[in-house]
Amino acid sequence: KQEVTQIPAALSVPEGENLVLNCSFTDSAIYNLQWFRQDPGKGLTSLLLIQSSQREQTSGRLNASLDKSSGRSTLYIAASQPGDSATYLCAATAGNMLTFGGGTRLMVKP
Amino acid sequence: GAVVSQHPSRVICKSGTSVKIECRSLDFQATTMFWYRQFPKKSLMLMATSNEGSKATYEQGVEKDKFLINHASLTLSTLTVTSAHPEDSSFYICSARDSSRGPDTQYFGPGTRLTVL
Repeated sequence: KQEVTQIPAALSVPEGENLVLNCSFTDSAIYNLQWFRQDPGKGLTSLLLIQSSQREQTSGRLNASLDKSSGRSTLYIAASQPGDSATYLCAATAGNMLTFGGGTRLMVKP
Repeated sequence: GAVVSQHPSRVICKSGTSVKIECRSLDFQATTMFWYRQFPKKSLMLMATSNEGSKATYEQGVEKDKFLINHASLTLSTLTVTSAHPEDSSFYICSARDSSRGPDTQYFGPGTRLTVL
């Protein structure tokens, strides 16, 4: 059974810092790895999707990497802004299933 | 882009009543839809997989008689929480698979917050 873990569970940084969120998964037989953002009380916003054949994806200030062999993915956020404050979830897809990590709650202070 | 809607976005009900939540794919056909629930400060947990025209597949520990799922058309799946109790209060999110874009493309709805008094 796939298990997805995110570290740290919470993170607080001053505005402008570059930061890295970590995601690890136990079963490397995945189709893709996704990163989502969730604002309090809201649904999910898909940020980046990395197919199993890819190493990374970039969108604006966000860069996500995938290392299947080690079961790891990272989400890099450059020049963080207060508007980036949210919970970030990673999810691994295998077959019919998305397995979510526990999330990292990010607070970017002005 | 693809859009998935949920209705209602928020519902408050009395204990013992039943609540129906709708999940619609607005611009694509979804043969498969998924229902998740999320407790406060926790991650999403898959409850069941809803397949159009057939019975839903429930995850271990999810009571199928408690959470009734109907996927009657290619654009609509409903989740009915029967005889709701305060412990059923949660955030329910659906997702829909766009088969035309490949097996791994899921689009998520905005979620429904259920509060049972």
